[in-house]
Amino acid sequence: GENVEQHPSTLSVQEGDSAVIKCTYSDSASNYFPWYKQELGKRPQLIIDIRSNVGEKKDQRIAVTLNKTAKHFSLHITETQPEDSAVYFCAAAMNSGYSTLTFGKGTMLLVSP
Amino acid sequence: GAVVSQHPSWVICKSGTSVKIECRSLDFQATTMFWYRQFPKQSLMLMATSNEGSKATYEQGVEKDKFLINHASLTLSTLTVTSAHPEDSSFYICSASEQASGYTFGSGTRLTVV
Repeated sequence: GENVEQHPSTLSVQEGDSAVIKCTYSDSASNYFPWYKQELGKRPQLIIDIRSNVGEKKDQRIAVTLNKTAKHFSLHITETQPEDSAVYFCAAAMNSGYSTLTFGKGTMLLVSP
Repeated sequence: GAVVSQHPSWVICKSGTSVKIECRSLDFQATTMFWYRQFPKQSLMLMATSNEGSKATYEQGVEKDKFLINHASLTLSTLTVTSAHPEDSSFYICSASEQASGYTFGSGTRLTVV
């Protein structure tokens, strides 16, 4: 089955700095890669996703890049703010909406004012 | 957008009793429901996948007789934790799947077994 590795497990940055979280996956058949933000005790919230026919996607301060050949994808957050502090999970699936989502272990992002 | 309602949001039960958790897709028909368990400071671990009208598929290591899943309609799936024990205390989250909406998560249920 699919295996998703995520690094780092914790990331501390100063407000205004950029944050980068990296994930690798094992199954070359995976073609959907979402990123979720989860605050304590709450549901995961989709913040951005990318499909395998696209190399990069951006939404305001958030961007995701995908390298299918190397089987890795990354989340980039620019101009971080204290409210960005949360746990971020990457995930991979073969077919969005129908197949199993496999999650990385998560990254706790702490943004200090 | 797609909404999944999950109830209860938290429950405390005595050891040996059973607890039922419901997930409803409110504005779409969920072909597939996924049930996850999340321990503190850990990731979401898939427990089982259910399709409407058929038996759930359980992940390795998840006891199907302990975690009963029913997906009787396209809008409702239930997870029953039978004979709960303190080690079953966790955060349980459902995710409903529909092609147009992708994956939509419920709000989660915090189960504490005392």
